[in-house]
Amino acid sequence: GQNIDQPTEMTATEGAIVQINCTYQTSGFNGLFWYQQHAGEAPTFLSYNVLDGLEEKGRFSSFLSRSKGYSYLLLKELQMKDSASYLCAVRDREGSNDYKLSFGAGTTVTVRA
Amino acid sequence: SQTIHQWPATLVQPVGSPLSLECTVEGTSNPNLYWYRQAAGRGLQLLFYSVGIGQISSEVPQNLSASRPQDRQFILSSKKLLLSDSGFYLCAWSRQEGGYTFGSGTRLTVV
Repeated sequence: GQNIDQPTEMTATEGAIVQINCTYQTSGFNGLFWYQQHAGEAPTFLSYNVLDGLEEKGRFSSFLSRSKGYSYLLLKELQMKDSASYLCAVRDREGSNDYKLSFGAGTTVTVRA
Repeated sequence: SQTIHQWPATLVQPVGSPLSLECTVEGTSNPNLYWYRQAAGRGLQLLFYSVGIGQISSEVPQNLSASRPQDRQFILSSKKLLLSDSGFYLCAWSRQEGGYTFGSGTRLTVV
């Protein structure tokens, strides 16, 4: 199984930067995903890391260190619409065609004016 | 393009009643299919996944079951609902090494 830990809540001001950390323990690591979920809606894909380093996609960046079992999601130039829950998810490969994604409990980010 | 459909969007059911939630995927073949549940204020819990027709793996023993009668159809069922079955149910699909795409979800309230 996996242990995926991320902070429960974070608050930041519009225009600021927020970094959401995620640590994990897994036996068959095969990638780390970040999803955004607005209240009452399904999660939507933000980013994917399988190799160490930083992946940048507009205002959002995600970093991975496999040796440390650590990732972060960086949100820049925060906007009010960025208020949402951010889910860290780790994919395990358990067979030739068996990939499972396990989710952390999510970090609720509140952006204030 | 691939799309995933999940219905109904909202459901209120009495304790002890049966349940059937359906999920279908279009625009792809032989997808991996998943059912997740999200309780209020909590993370996503994997309930079932399927890598092919008739192949179901259960992650958590509980009051629910899943079936995959067709390649792109995944059904979540219960014979008798419990109060604790309330939650937000999400269907998702993926390629072998791809990311997950979620359906719009079903909010189930057992009363």
